[in-house]
Amino acid sequence: AQSVTQLGSHVSVSEGALVLLRCNYSSSVPPYLFWYVQYPNQGLQLLLKYTSAATLVKGINGFEAEFKKSETSFHLTKPSAHMSDAAEYFCAVTQRETSYDKVIFGPGTSLSVIP
Amino acid sequence: DTGVSQNPRHKITKRGQNVTFRCDPISEHNRLYWYRQTLGQGPEFLTYFQNEAQLEKSRLLSDRFSAERPKGSFSTLEIQRTEQGDSAMYLCASSLGVLAGNEQYFGPGTRLTVT
Repeated sequence: AQSVTQLGSHVSVSEGALVLLRCNYSSSVPPYLFWYVQYPNQGLQLLLKYTSAATLVKGINGFEAEFKKSETSFHLTKPSAHMSDAAEYFCAVTQRETSYDKVIFGPGTSLSVIP
Repeated sequence: DTGVSQNPRHKITKRGQNVTFRCDPISEHNRLYWYRQTLGQGPEFLTYFQNEAQLEKSRLLSDRFSAERPKGSFSTLEIQRTEQGDSAMYLCASSLGVLAGNEQYFGPGTRLTVT
């Protein structure tokens, strides 16, 4: 069965500092991987996705993530945090070669940005 | 294209009452999903439609829950005899979904509070 773990339920960084949010997955077949962001009282917005093309994926708002098969990881990074990055971030996995794209979400990491 | 919309945004109901939520997906999307999100957790898959056919239901979807998508466009999620444990954010998403891995676009959610 697929699953997603996110190390650290809360992460705090200073404005301008590196953002690193960790995600590890388990999947019996090559996965599709996603990062979503959720602002308070809003739905989820896709930041980026990995679908077997380049292992380094660039997303919106300056975020990127690197797929590392050997480590079963898909960590999210941003070189310089901005106050507007404060939100909840969810890593998610879906299995390829299925007739539907059921997405399994991790528990989320809450990012705080300190001025 | 105005994105995925959900109504109502907030619903407060008394235990034992029935509630119905509506989701309007992005118009050309043939796949529609319902998720439930409780505080501090990632969204949990409830059910999935391809056009008007309900193809997958989670074990989370008890007999008190029913979802429909009668014309393959909008969908409704009904909860009968609500319980306090049903309090959560109910998220709807849609996708083109021709191939597994197409990203899902989320609505803003309906927050249900059962008193």
